[in-house]
Amino acid sequence: DAGVTQSPTHLIKTRGQQVTLRCSPKSGHDTVSWYQQALGQGPQFIFQYYEEEERQRGNFPDRFSGHQFPNYSSELNVNALLLGDSALYLCASSGGLIETQYFGPGTRLLVL
Amino acid sequence: QKEVEQDPGPLSVPEGAIVSLNCTYSNSAFQYFMWYRQYSRKGPELLMYTYSSGNKEDGRFTAQVDKSSKYISLFIRDSQPSDSATYLCATGEAAGNKLTFGGGTRVLVKP
Repeated sequence: DAGVTQSPTHLIKTRGQQVTLRCSPKSGHDTVSWYQQALGQGPQFIFQYYEEEERQRGNFPDRFSGHQFPNYSSELNVNALLLGDSALYLCASSGGLIETQYFGPGTRLLVL
Repeated sequence: QKEVEQDPGPLSVPEGAIVSLNCTYSNSAFQYFMWYRQYSRKGPELLMYTYSSGNKEDGRFTAQVDKSSKYISLFIRDSQPSDSATYLCATGEAAGNKLTFGGGTRVLVKP
């Protein structure tokens, strides 16, 4: 049973560029959440997708956007990258609102 | 003030000792509590979850929740060097809702 998978594993971008990160949820899960984890800190909630719609959103600017596909996989897009966007981006999946969230390995983004 | 506070450590213990970790939270709406373990440069791995006050045991791990004090704990018995990692507490209003994390505590178990 495959767990949560994310791609790519590492990414280097320059300021002002745009980036797309991808996530496939654990088998049987239909809800995907995205988190940003800066070095030495706990993950911070970005947003959550369920039934292809954004259900909840954390305190992140509109430069952060996402999408969920009919197969429940998801993308996180970040426009106009800033140096401060450098972080580990984590995807978590769950079986709706009553199931615990399981995390993928993350995508490490470095903005130069 | 952060919604979930956690001592960053590092916490260094000898192999075989009990590791004691804790978090405090401020939001009374939090009803669901989790502990994750995160090895360096990896994603968090779920260790324990609970939604009620009291103790929950799973092997060498015991999670404790005191909702009246807004205090959650994790105890690791017979600690091993492989337990060396960062431990994150997380809370939420429901299991599948957004999680609010503490900053993590670094634990080092010395052989």
